[in-house]
Amino acid sequence: SQTIHQWPATLVQPVGSPLSLECTVEGTSNPNLYWYRQAAGRGLQLLFYSVGIGQISSEVPQNLSASRPQDRQFILSSKKLLLSDSGFYLCAWSLKGGSTEAFFGQGTRLTVV
Amino acid sequence: AQSVTQLDSQVPVFEEAPVELRCNYSSSVSVYLFWYVQYPNQGLQLLLKYLSGSTLVESINGFEAEFNKSQTSFHLRKPSVHISDTAEYFCAVSVKAAGNKLTFGGGTRVLVKP
Repeated sequence: SQTIHQWPATLVQPVGSPLSLECTVEGTSNPNLYWYRQAAGRGLQLLFYSVGIGQISSEVPQNLSASRPQDRQFILSSKKLLLSDSGFYLCAWSLKGGSTEAFFGQGTRLTVV
Repeated sequence: AQSVTQLDSQVPVFEEAPVELRCNYSSSVSVYLFWYVQYPNQGLQLLLKYLSGSTLVESINGFEAEFNKSQTSFHLRKPSVHISDTAEYFCAVSVKAAGNKLTFGGGTRVLVKP
């Protein structure tokens, strides 16, 4: 069966520090991968999605970037965090074609102080 | 582009009472529809989905949702809620041609009271 791992679960970082959140998927190959952000009291916003290694699409302009160095690895990064980057970050994957549901990781709660 | 509106941000309900969570969407093309549930500090879990066929879909834990194309709605219902149903519920749509990206509503927080 497929599983998705996301870490760390919680993170407190000072303003101006770098960020690296990692997500890996097991049990499938060539998935679509996604990073979502959930701000307090708001819905989920798609930040990035990837259909393959090195292929990243950004959905909104922001202080963050994403990379996909391996087929089942998706990394969310920032060179300098802002207070507004605080939130709950969720990684997800889906199959290509066929069923279109997404499967989510457990999330990372990021607090920028 | 697609959009999803969940009309109620919070729904308090007593245990064993029925609940309905409203979801309306806007899209110029056919969409797939989903309901996800999120328990505190956890990721999202798929509750049920509509891809095609019967407009009434059911989950294994008693929830059901009905796709209404004319009203562009996908409301979620449960005839009798449990304390364990306390969670946040998200309605979402995707378009197959758009890389299966999900567009979410703002969420509805359900608080089940004893």
